[in-house]
Amino acid sequence: QSALTQPASVSGSLGQSITISCTGTSSDVGGYNYVSWYQQHPAKAPKLIIYDVTNRPSGVSNRFSGSKSGNTASLAISGLQAEDEADYYCSSYTSSGTWVFGGGTQLTVL
Amino acid sequence: EVQLVESGGGLVQPGGSLRLSCATSGFTFSGYWMHWVRQAPGKGLVWVSHISSDGTTTRYADAVKGRFTISRDNAKNTLHLQMNSLRADDTALYYCIRESSYAYGYWGQGAQVTVSS
Repeated sequence: QSALTQPASVSGSLGQSITISCTGTSSDVGGYNYVSWYQQHPAKAPKLIIYDVTNRPSGVSNRFSGSKSGNTASLAISGLQAEDEADYYCSSYTSSGTWVFGGGTQLTVL
Repeated sequence: EVQLVESGGGLVQPGGSLRLSCATSGFTFSGYWMHWVRQAPGKGLVWVSHISSDGTTTRYADAVKGRFTISRDNAKNTLHLQMNSLRADDTALYYCIRESSYAYGYWGQGAQVTVSS
């Protein structure tokens, strides 16, 4: 049950675009289209922003988008805004019938 | 409105036990798989356990297998996590989560568990 691999931190300027990667194996990210992404602001519960690799829940900005290639999933955020500054986590269902999270990525908006 | 409210957290000595509960409302509890996810101070999210909608299927992370037991009472719309043989590295905020389509759409506010002598 090794954690998925995410960069520890990324940064971008207001209005720019960034991408956060999430690398797993063929037993999790690569094997299923059950990758989800969560945004967490300090002292708050995480919020679902992407599910099933590419889908956005109702109410989530279309500036957030997800994709997957092989064993790596990605979260893209376009038109960076100050409120996007947060921690981001990916998660995947696994072949063991369990779930696994990434280590988290801290996004800084410059 | 979907609500998940955890309770039962606190300070416990190493080797001790705690039972977390999660009271739910605003949805048909018996129709959803439920999960516990934890977050140690300043650290990332870690999946702990899940239980099927009817309670017949459970899974655990290796770190808690044999020590933690997840259960549910569909008549009372409540989820539980019995935690035994607690260790310092179990110290974390424990979130109760409703799963839908393999994603975590609803989270509780968390219950703090601190294991320390």
